[in-house]
Amino acid sequence: AQSVAQPEDQVNVAEGNPLTVKCTYSVSGNPYLFWYVQYPNRGLQFLLKYITGDNLVKGSYGFEAEFNKSQTSFHLKKPSALVSDSALYFCAVPLVFGAGTILRVKS
Amino acid sequence: KAGVTQTPRYLIKTRGQQVTLSCSPISGHRSVSWYQQTPGQGLQFLFEYFSETQRNKGNFPGRFSGRQFSNSRSEMNVSTLELGDSALYLCASSLGTSGDNYNEQFFGPGTRLTVL
Repeated sequence: AQSVAQPEDQVNVAEGNPLTVKCTYSVSGNPYLFWYVQYPNRGLQFLLKYITGDNLVKGSYGFEAEFNKSQTSFHLKKPSALVSDSALYFCAVPLVFGAGTILRVKS
Repeated sequence: KAGVTQTPRYLIKTRGQQVTLSCSPISGHRSVSWYQQTPGQGLQFLFEYFSETQRNKGNFPGRFSGRQFSNSRSEMNVSTLELGDSALYLCASSLGTSGDNYNEQFFGPGTRLTVL
C-alpha cells in the first residue's frame, strides 16, 4: 500500500527566511508525488508534482520540491517565505494524502 | 474554464437521515474523486470514478456510496447518518485516462456537512 508521512504538524518561519516542509513516502514502483496547499476558505490547490526526470521540481508561487529516491523524501522548499504562504500543506501520492503540515510565517 | 463546483456548500442533517452531495468536474475531466476531511483524520479517500465506473474505493462503510454520470458529474450519498460523518466533503477532478494516476487533482470548495 502507498503512504506518505509528514513528520511535522507545524513549521514556523520568519518572513524572508527559507522554508522546508518535509515529506517521506512509501510506494511500490515509480513514485508519483504531489504537493497541495489549502488556504483558509479557499480550498485545496495543486502546487507541484514529480513524475520523472529532474529531481528538483518547480511549482506555483515560487515553491519547489526536491525528490530524493535514496531517502524516499519529497521535501517542499521556498528560498524566501512570505506571510501569505501561511497555510496547510499536504504531500500526496495518488489518492493518498499526508496528515498535513501547518506553515506559519511571521513578519 | 470553470472550476470544480460542489452543491450544496453547507448542509445540516440529523442522525439517521441520508444526504446526497453533488460535484461537477472541470470540463473535459473524466476522473472524479471524493474525500472526507476532518480535523482528527485529515483527508481520507472515499472513492474514485472514471467514465461512470468506480475505479478505486477507500476504507469506508457501505453507507457511503457514489456514482458518476455520462457527463462526468458525480454524486455521493451517505445513508443513516452518524454524528461522526460531520466533515468537509471534497470533490476533485483530473484529466485521467483509464490507466494513469499521475495527473494532479483540482478540488472544489467542498460541502460542509453537520450531523446533529
